[in-house]
Amino acid sequence: DARVTQTPRHKVTEMGQEVTMRCQPILGHNTVFWYRQTMMQGLELLAYFRNRAPLDDSGMPKDRFSAEMPDATLATLKIQPSEPRDSAVYFCASGDGTRYGYTFGSGTRLTVV
Amino acid sequence: AQSVTQLGSHVSVSEGALVLLRCNYSSSVPPYLFWYVQYPNQGLQLLLKYTSAATLVKGINDFEAEFKKSETSFHLTKPSAHMSDAAEYFCAVSESGTGGFKTIFGAGTRLFVKA
Repeated sequence: DARVTQTPRHKVTEMGQEVTMRCQPILGHNTVFWYRQTMMQGLELLAYFRNRAPLDDSGMPKDRFSAEMPDATLATLKIQPSEPRDSAVYFCASGDGTRYGYTFGSGTRLTVV
Repeated sequence: AQSVTQLGSHVSVSEGALVLLRCNYSSSVPPYLFWYVQYPNQGLQLLLKYTSAATLVKGINDFEAEFKKSETSFHLTKPSAHMSDAAEYFCAVSESGTGGFKTIFGAGTRLFVKA
């Protein structure tokens, strides 16, 4: 089965440290999404890319978050500096650009202490 | 902007009973609607989707959902609950965004199945 791969699965870091999360989308998918899931806010769309170009990152705190796609097989989400309120599960999802749903990765559970 | 509202953050049913998870949508254009399921410590998995081809949509694991335009609803049902159905379920709508489509999720409904 084709799958979206996210690394690391778990990350514990101290406040102020840089965190990088990686995502390998399904081969051939041209759309990549980053979501954040917390108990309080549910699933929030942070950013999404089409053909590696950022289309919308309005859901992302610009001062500390950045998202990139260095190539078609890798998407990254960075937080610098990290804060305890960033603790959440971060999901990457990829799609083929249509409206027919995405495939989600298993997520990165981030804990900032 | 399009949105979905899931009625009930928690639903509890007995094993073998009917499962009904409610979702209402708000959209000014014909919507594309989805149900996703999330098992503990996993990502979301697409259960089924409505893309205007048929109002009754069948998905995996005997789940189905019916699109009712008059009620702006897309409720998810399963005739007989199984213990393995215990999970969180998300209703979602596809919205046109900058250069493409993005999916907006509801708050989720956690399904508990009692033995």
